[in-house]
Amino acid sequence: EMQLVESGGGLVQPGGSLRLSCAGSGFTFSRNWMTWVRQAPGKGLEWMANIKEDESEKYYVDSVKGRFSIARDNAKNSLFLQMNSLRAEDTAVYYCARINSGVTTGDAFDVWGQGTMVTVSS
Amino acid sequence: DIQMTQSPSSLSASVGDRVTITCRASQSVRRYLNWYQQKPGKAPKLVICAASTLQSGVPSRFSGSGSGTDFTLTISSLQPEDFGTYYCHQSNSIPQTFGQGTKVEFK
Repeated sequence: EMQLVESGGGLVQPGGSLRLSCAGSGFTFSRNWMTWVRQAPGKGLEWMANIKEDESEKYYVDSVKGRFSIARDNAKNSLFLQMNSLRAEDTAVYYCARINSGVTTGDAFDVWGQGTMVTVSS
Repeated sequence: DIQMTQSPSSLSASVGDRVTITCRASQSVRRYLNWYQQKPGKAPKLVICAASTLQSGVPSRFSGSGSGTDFTLTISSLQPEDFGTYYCHQSNSIPQTFGQGTKVEFK
């Protein structure tokens, strides 16, 4: 069974840092682009960042550029999101997901983790 | 950025009804349009990818159509387990964007 499990969420003060992790299993992690998506309480989904299989390409939404960094360790089947200079508006559930790349699959997010909650508050 | 606009924002329907949700992109996304279902407290689940391809394991009452800027998700005969919020998602260009969601409730 393909599975993603996030960890690392919690309560952090404004201006603080947090590192989220996402562990993949049941598929060949190194063969897929990966992504982070977040959802603020009661709100919709917001795409955060993508990373290519070999880390050679990374993309971010403007609101987190320079503050968040996506990375991966294929040897450990793991995806990371380093979040710095956190703000109250970063409060959300953060999901990692696998990207199923290709014209016929629409680069869709086909495997999702259960999410990890990040709360930014003093 | 490409804006994704879904309509309606919410709907109430009965078991057996045909339900249609539309998604409009502010510019062409070709067929890089995906649909997700999300239930409260759960992660989103992929329903349709590449505008019209049914994800493995998803019932055939779900279908998708469209290309370019206008897309449709149809549930041919609504079942109790289909409640939740549906999101469209364009993966054609960065930043990728989601629609605001359509909440499907039962009458």
